[in-house]
Amino acid sequence: DAEITQSPRHKITETGRQVTLACHQTWNHNNMFWYRQDLGHGLRLIHYSYGVQDTNKGEVSDGYSVSRSNTEDLPLTLESAASSQTSVYFCASSGTSGGEQYFGPGTRLTVT
Amino acid sequence: DQQVKQNSPSLSVQEGRISILNCDYTNSMFDYFLWYKKYPAEGPTFLISISSIKDKNEDGRFTVFLNKSAKHLSLHIVPSQPGDSAVYFCAASVPTGANNLFFGTGTRLTVIP
Repeated sequence: DAEITQSPRHKITETGRQVTLACHQTWNHNNMFWYRQDLGHGLRLIHYSYGVQDTNKGEVSDGYSVSRSNTEDLPLTLESAASSQTSVYFCASSGTSGGEQYFGPGTRLTVT
Repeated sequence: DQQVKQNSPSLSVQEGRISILNCDYTNSMFDYFLWYKKYPAEGPTFLISISSIKDKNEDGRFTVFLNKSAKHLSLHIVPSQPGDSAVYFCAASVPTGANNLFFGTGTRLTVIP
C-alpha cells in the first residue's frame, strides 16, 4: 500500500544545530507539504513543492528550507535550530489540485 | 491573520447524541472545504469535503454543511461514538490550481460513553 513516512519520529537537539527531518511518500504525488502544529495555531504551512526542483515558501518559512530532488522525498532542514521551533512537524502529499492531502505520522522536535 | 477559525477548542458529547463542530472563514475566494480528524501521535486523516457549489455533503454518520453567505461550515456526526473522540480540523483552499490548505486551530471532541 502507498504511504507517507517521516523520520525520525522524535528528535531532541540543541539550539544552533542544523537538523533535517525526512519525508518519503510512495503515492507518486507531485505535491508535497511541510506543516508545523502548535497549540492555539493549528497546522501552519512551512514550505511546499509542486514537483521536482520546485519549492515555495509557506506562512512560517523563516529558519527552514526544503529541497526536492525526486518525486518521493521532501526533506525539511532547520538551518540553526531555535527553541521557537520546538513543535510537531507533519509532512503531507497530494496528487490533485484542491484535493485532500495525505499526512505522515509526524515528527516531534524539541530544541533545548 | 487566521483565515479559517474554529472558535470552540473543545466539545463534549454523550455517546449516541449528535456532535456539531463549527468552522468560520474570512476569505471569500475559498471554494473547497475539508475536515480532518487527528488522533494523538498520528497524522491528520481526511474525513469529508465539500465544494462551494454544494451546501451539503454526507458520508455515513458524517455530514458537512456549508453556508457561503455566512462563511460558515459545520460537521455533524450522528450518532457520536467513543471512537470519534479526536481533534477535528477544518481546512479550506482557493481555486488557483494550487493545493495549499488553510487550517483552523482544531476542536477536541470527547464522546462520553
